Amino acid sequence: EAQVTQNPRYLITVTGKKLTVTCSQNMNHEYMSWYRQDPGLGLRQIYYSMNVEVTDKGDVPEGYKVSRKEKRNFPLILESPSPNQTSLYFCASRAGGNTEAFFGQGTRLTVV
Amino acid sequence: QKEVEQDPGPLSVPEGAIVSLNCTYSNSAFQYFMWYRQYSRKGPELLMYTYSSGNKEDGRFTAQVDKSSKYISLFIRDSQPSDSATYLCAMSSRSGSARQLTFGSGTQLTVLP
Repeated sequence: EAQVTQNPRYLITVTGKKLTVTCSQNMNHEYMSWYRQDPGLGLRQIYYSMNVEVTDKGDVPEGYKVSRKEKRNFPLILESPSPNQTSLYFCASRAGGNTEAFFGQGTRLTVV
Repeated sequence: QKEVEQDPGPLSVPEGAIVSLNCTYSNSAFQYFMWYRQYSRKGPELLMYTYSSGNKEDGRFTAQVDKSSKYISLFIRDSQPSDSATYLCAMSSRSGSARQLTFGSGTQLTVLP
């Protein structure tokens, strides 16, 4: 089954404690992205990747890091989480520039 | 001003009603238009995909694009309780980079039985 898998689904952490949210896709897609979804603000892109070792900033990259060492994986790293990073996070993958985006199930992160 | 504006709702309608969901945009480079449906506690899923102006129909759903007015719509006929979800419009330009998929803020729809 074609899918994007994120882990964990739910995470509560404390300010400053480094964390990683994993994302894996099994569709051999070139493009992968991370979004955060906040009430009234919709989906905002954090980082995106057009291929292995090729990543770039989206609209809200501050406080986040990503890596793309393998085509299927695109982890999101919060080196020092802060409460304003409390949000619902989605990973997505696409085959190409104007193709459908497939989303993971989401990770609800709470930073206290 | 946001590139894509979408009425956030919430919108509540009785079962069987015709629903109209709308987005406006300011970037004339947008050429590809999509509607995603997001159920509670789930990721968005593609519902409709259209290119340029005109209408596209798929069952009870019709996507309409008016590029001259920079306005897109999604119509749902004979709405069902299972249509209750948040609907997000999304757009991309012809250049189609990984970055260029811009979303509206979403409209929350509830269809009452």
